[in-house]
Amino acid sequence: GDSVTQMEGPVTLSEEAFLTINCTYTATGYPSLFWYVQYPGEGLQLLLKATKADDKGSNKGFEATYRKETTSFHLEKGSVQVSDSAVYFCALSEGGTSYGKLTFGQGTILTVHP
Amino acid sequence: GAGVSQSPRYKVAKRGQDVALRCDPISGHVSLFWYQQALGQGPEFLTYFQNEAQLDKSGLPSDRFFAERPEGSVSTLKIQRTQQEDSAVYLCASSSSYREYSTDTQYFGPGTRLTVL
Repeated sequence: GDSVTQMEGPVTLSEEAFLTINCTYTATGYPSLFWYVQYPGEGLQLLLKATKADDKGSNKGFEATYRKETTSFHLEKGSVQVSDSAVYFCALSEGGTSYGKLTFGQGTILTVHP
Repeated sequence: GAGVSQSPRYKVAKRGQDVALRCDPISGHVSLFWYQQALGQGPEFLTYFQNEAQLDKSGLPSDRFFAERPEGSVSTLKIQRTQQEDSAVYLCASSSSYREYSTDTQYFGPGTRLTVL
């Protein structure tokens, strides 16, 4: 079945550092790819998405590019802030009759220090 | 308007008890999903409703798990004869999409943390 693998964490960075969180996937079809974020004390919320190969999703300074050849969707940000501290989840939605149900990676905890 | 709400936020049950977890989706949202999130893991799909119809229950781990959405709005996830391995956060999400192939945003509730002693 479909699966998502994220880089093992946690990740600790200083403010203004560059962030990469790796995500690779296995899918039989042509999935859509998502990054969700969970801030402390809050529910999961969509950060960005890409629905086809070579698409780039972006939001709040974060970017991720759908790479079909490497089955990857790595999350990047050029300069992190303390307020970016959260848990980040990579996820996919397979095509076909899935109605959009999501398959998640295990999550990566990001802590940003001043 | 309000987002997705879930109640209770925390539930402690003794092994063998039945529990019921409630989800209030965003008003007008057709699709409703339940996920289970074990400690330190990502959410895992349990079941999906389109209005009142349960179209996918492939993720329910056993026949002790039962979900309903009788009027196409509020949904209840019921777990009978709870076991320790049922301890997890149960997340509800809703979206406005009804298409088989959907990339629409799912809006998540805060979750119910279930602890089975």
